[in-house]
Amino acid sequence: ILNVEQSPQSLHVQEGDSTNFTCSFPSSNFYALHWYRWETAKSPEALFVMTLNGDEKKKGRISATLNTKEGYSYLYIKGSQPEDSATYLCAIPRGKLIFGQGTELSVKP
Amino acid sequence: GAGVSQSPSNKVTEKGKDVELRCDPISGHTALYWYRQSLGQGLEFLIYFQGNSAPDKSGLPSDRFSAERTGGSVSTLTIQRTQQEDSAVYLCASSLGTVQYFGPGTRLTVT
Repeated sequence: ILNVEQSPQSLHVQEGDSTNFTCSFPSSNFYALHWYRWETAKSPEALFVMTLNGDEKKKGRISATLNTKEGYSYLYIKGSQPEDSATYLCAIPRGKLIFGQGTELSVKP
Repeated sequence: GAGVSQSPSNKVTEKGKDVELRCDPISGHTALYWYRQSLGQGLEFLIYFQGNSAPDKSGLPSDRFSAERTGGSVSTLTIQRTQQEDSAVYLCASSLGTVQYFGPGTRLTVT
């Protein structure tokens, strides 16, 4: 069974704080890692698809890194804003996506 | 363009009743997926259709759950004899390549 783990489970930060969270996955048979953002009452939205060891991707204030040899990816948010409040999910594709439990981020103004 | 749509957005049903959830994928997407998120749980895979291939049903939790995809487009997830543990948000997604595009979900409450 493929195990994808995320930490922390939840995070509460103040507006302007920078934050990061982790996704861990089995390093064997790695193909890709997906990051999604799921805001309350909306559809999960793809942030990044990462494939290469050492990859770093950026979208505005959000960036992600990938280490396929040790099996982890970090998601960073610089200068958090209330609109960043959401659940951040990582997933490994095996035909379907195998998701971690998610990190629920709450940014207080 | 139009995204993935799902209906109904909310469904409250009594234990023991059957329910049908509908998903309209993005036009032209060959793959369609059903997931669900129960309270306090992560997103759980249910079933996956890819083109004309036999669906991957490995995530269906019991034989009360079934799904079909007609004409390679619209999909219906059917839950027979609903139980309280079936209460969850049911999400549909479609894809043409790597990225999956999700619908807004159906919140199912079994009373």
